[in-house]
Amino acid sequence: EVQLVQSGAEVKKPGESLKISCKGSGYSFTSYWIGWVRQMPGKGLEWMGIINPGDSDTRYSPSFQGHVTISADKSITTASLQWSSLKASDTAMYYCARLSAVAGEFDYWGQGTLVTVSS
Amino acid sequence: ETVMTQSPATLSVSPGERATLSCRASQSVSSNLAWYQQKPGQAPRLLIYGASARATGIPARFSGSGSGTEFTLTISSLQSEDFAVYYCQQYNNWPFTFGQGTKLEIK
Repeated sequence: EVQLVQSGAEVKKPGESLKISCKGSGYSFTSYWIGWVRQMPGKGLEWMGIINPGDSDTRYSPSFQGHVTISADKSITTASLQWSSLKASDTAMYYCARLSAVAGEFDYWGQGTLVTVSS
Repeated sequence: ETVMTQSPATLSVSPGERATLSCRASQSVSSNLAWYQQKPGQAPRLLIYGASARATGIPARFSGSGSGTEFTLTISSLQSEDFAVYYCQQYNNWPFTFGQGTKLEIK
C-alpha cells in the first residue's frame, strides 16, 4: 500500500526555522517525483514545487522560489520542506503528494502538516 | 503562468441530481488536467486525470471532459458523500497550477 506520512503539527515564532517531512512507503521512492502543496486557512490549493528523490532534481513554482527549500533523502525515503525564517503568512496546511508516473497529477497524498507561525 | 478559473464558486444541488462543474484555462493545457475532491479536514483525493480518465477506485458517476482550455467535471447522481470542494489542476505548462475550487453544497 502506497503511503505518505507527514510529520506532526508545528507552532513557531516569526523568524524561526523549520523543516517538515514526508515519508514514503509501499512503492519505489526514487521512481516518483514528490511535490508540496500549500493550503492557507480557508483557501484553495497552491502548487509549491517538486523533487525527484532519485537525483534531487528540484523545480519550484516562481511564487515559492527562494522562500522554501525542498529536499529528499532517498536512504530514508523521506522528502522535506524547510524554511530558514518563518513569517506569519506561512501559517498554512502543507501537503506532500506523489506525482504519478504517467503525467503531472498527484495520485497519492500525505495527511498534511499544519504549520502555525505566531508571536 | 496558466491561470485556472473554476465556476461557479459555489454550487447548490439536491442529492440524486446531476452536478456540472467548470474549469477554464488561460491558455491551452491540452488534456493535461486533473480533478480533485477535498472534504473538510482531509487531504485532496485524485478523481480524474488526463481530463477524462477516472483514478483507481473512483465511482463511474464521476466523469470528466474537455480539452484545450475548457473542461467539465460531471457527477451524474449526487450522493451525500460527494458534497465537498473540487479543484482542477493543469500539468501542461510550468508552473503547474490549481483552480480556486468549487464548493458543492447540499440544496
